[in-house]
Amino acid sequence: DVVMTQSPLSLPVTLGQPASISCRSSRSLVHSDGNTYLNWFQQRPGQSPRRLIYKVSNWDSGVPDRFSGSGSGTDFTLKISRVEAEDVGVYYCMQETHWPWTFGQGTKVEIK
Amino acid sequence: EVQLVESGGGLVQPGGSLRLSCAASGFTFSNYWMTWVRQAPGKGLEWVASIKPDASGYLYVDSVKGRFTISRDNAGNSLHLQMNSLRAEDTAVFYCVTEDRGSGWTHWGQGTQVTVSS
Repeated sequence: DVVMTQSPLSLPVTLGQPASISCRSSRSLVHSDGNTYLNWFQQRPGQSPRRLIYKVSNWDSGVPDRFSGSGSGTDFTLKISRVEAEDVGVYYCMQETHWPWTFGQGTKVEIK
Repeated sequence: EVQLVESGGGLVQPGGSLRLSCAASGFTFSNYWMTWVRQAPGKGLEWVASIKPDASGYLYVDSVKGRFTISRDNAGNSLHLQMNSLRAEDTAVFYCVTEDRGSGWTHWGQGTQVTVSS
């Protein structure tokens, strides 16, 4: 199975400041169809997960543009340009290139 | 509005069975892959099983192969997960998910709790 490794696992941030989460996969996530199926999810406390980003850098509906995704191959990053209080929660990367789809361990974002 | 409503969770003894259901509405159910994802208490997410729109194919994570069966009823807009030979490590919240990896289509239910304990 593809192992997804996130860092850091805990991320205290100051409101209004940027934040960045790294995700590395144990093998390339480039699919034979040429796409890279790397997603980012947000799970706020007590809520279901919500997908934010698909195919590395595409926003899902309703996602604020302060969130952005980038990367290629095995290295990916989720950035929040200016953290807001509603961004508190756990963020997961997830690959959908190689079955079984697998998630990273999660990064807990909290306000300092 | 898309809605996914799970049901069927509960407390079951090790070795027992449960059948989860997901009632879907607000979209053309028969057009989309459907999936179950679980989350053990205080833990991360695990993609459990997925089924094709026409039920002609499915995928399972190794840890549930031979014990869980995913199915769907396109006429009744429902998704199911038959879980047999349950183990303590199957204790989790199970989410019903519809998602397309290549587009902006993604929806999750609120989840149903499954607890395996004697």
